[in-house]
Amino acid sequence: LAKTTQPISMDSYEGQEVNITCSHNNIATNDYITWYQQFPSQGPRFIIQGYKTKVTNEVASLFIPADRKSSTLSLPRVSLSDTAVYYCLVGDVGGSQGNLIFGKGTKLSVKP
Amino acid sequence: EAQVTQNPRYLITVTGKKLTVTCSQNMNHEYMSWYRQDPGLGLRQIYYSMNVEVTDKGDVPEGYKVSRKEKRNFPLILESPSPNQTSLYFCASSSLSGVEEYEQYFGPGTRLTVT
Repeated sequence: LAKTTQPISMDSYEGQEVNITCSHNNIATNDYITWYQQFPSQGPRFIIQGYKTKVTNEVASLFIPADRKSSTLSLPRVSLSDTAVYYCLVGDVGGSQGNLIFGKGTKLSVKP
Repeated sequence: EAQVTQNPRYLITVTGKKLTVTCSQNMNHEYMSWYRQDPGLGLRQIYYSMNVEVTDKGDVPEGYKVSRKEKRNFPLILESPSPNQTSLYFCASSSLSGVEEYEQYFGPGTRLTVT
């Protein structure tokens, strides 16, 4: 099972682009990379998921290098409301392996 | 509205008194899972279920039981709660087929205190 490592915290200012990197050296062939956002006293919320290369949706981009041993969540032009904890999850989420391991999360603080 | 519900949302109990936290989803998801969240430790998986009558241990299953008799429900049972099970608990569900993204939908959480 792939374990993940993320920075504990990051600071940013409104309007900046934020990149959060997750390391997952022993990612398996069938593993997807998924990022979740969590606000205090709420359950995590899905942001983006990818397998390789680059994925973009309306809120974020996910960059995955060819070796897939790391991934970077990119949040364009953050606002105060993006202050939250961001979790990286690596696992075979759609297959037969249901044991999923979240990283410890990166607490992002966005300042005015 | 697609959602995962948990009950109760808050619970204070005493050591050794059996309790059940219910989880229900209305999305016909095959996969359901329980997590606990503790400060500095992130989300840790307790048990998961790939479908009805199929359950398996996660990373921290000690002291917990689960059952999956119906597709929509996945209760978490603490037969003899202890103070180290004081935590914030989340239930989640996900579809395993016919989707482009395997997104877990999380419930609102249950804050459990065992004294």
